[in-house]
Amino acid sequence: DAKTTQPNSMESNEEEPVHLPCNHSTISGTDYIHWYRQLPSQGPEYVIHGLTSNVNNRMASLAIAEDRKSSTLILHRATLRDAAVYYCILRSITSGTYKYIFGTGTRLKVLA
Amino acid sequence: DVKVTQSSRYLVKRTGEKVFLECVQDMDHENMFWYRQDPGLGLRLIYFSYDVKMKEKGDIPEGYSVSREKKERFSLILESASTNQTSMYLCASSSPGPTNEAFFGQGTRLTVV
Repeated sequence: DAKTTQPNSMESNEEEPVHLPCNHSTISGTDYIHWYRQLPSQGPEYVIHGLTSNVNNRMASLAIAEDRKSSTLILHRATLRDAAVYYCILRSITSGTYKYIFGTGTRLKVLA
Repeated sequence: DVKVTQSSRYLVKRTGEKVFLECVQDMDHENMFWYRQDPGLGLRLIYFSYDVKMKEKGDIPEGYSVSREKKERFSLILESASTNQTSMYLCASSSPGPTNEAFFGQGTRLTVV
């Protein structure tokens, strides 16, 4: 199974943009890149996903490298409520079923 | 509001006990997953199910089994609990397909003493 690699932690100032990187050098052509975040004492929640093109939604933007071996989650203006662990995940097909392969995540600290 | 419900937030069991962790989803999802989460190790997949009575091993199935008799319910079973199974357990569900998001429960913090 392809794996993802993320920095253990990052810090950002409130109201500033945050770029969270993820490496997935062994990604296969059918793997989708998903991002989830986990707030304290909660289960992970979906943020965004993409395959090849950059994606935007109300929560964030996802920039995917042309060779698909890395991606970056962009929070345009970090708030204190964005402090969480962010997981870069490959949704990978096995035995005809897509499963989620989690890495260890990046703990984002937002400074007031 | 969509929901994945895990039966307990906190559970304390004794070594050697048989433990059942229950997960119920109300979204008619075909896929259900069980993960465990440990500090420094992220979420690791224990088992997943892609249909009723169908299951597949994840990355760390040893010491666990699962049951899916109804579409909405996916149970994780620790046949003989051990202290190294003390962990946070998370259940998730999703529709099939690579673009569908997973919905997670709140987690069960299991302590085996």
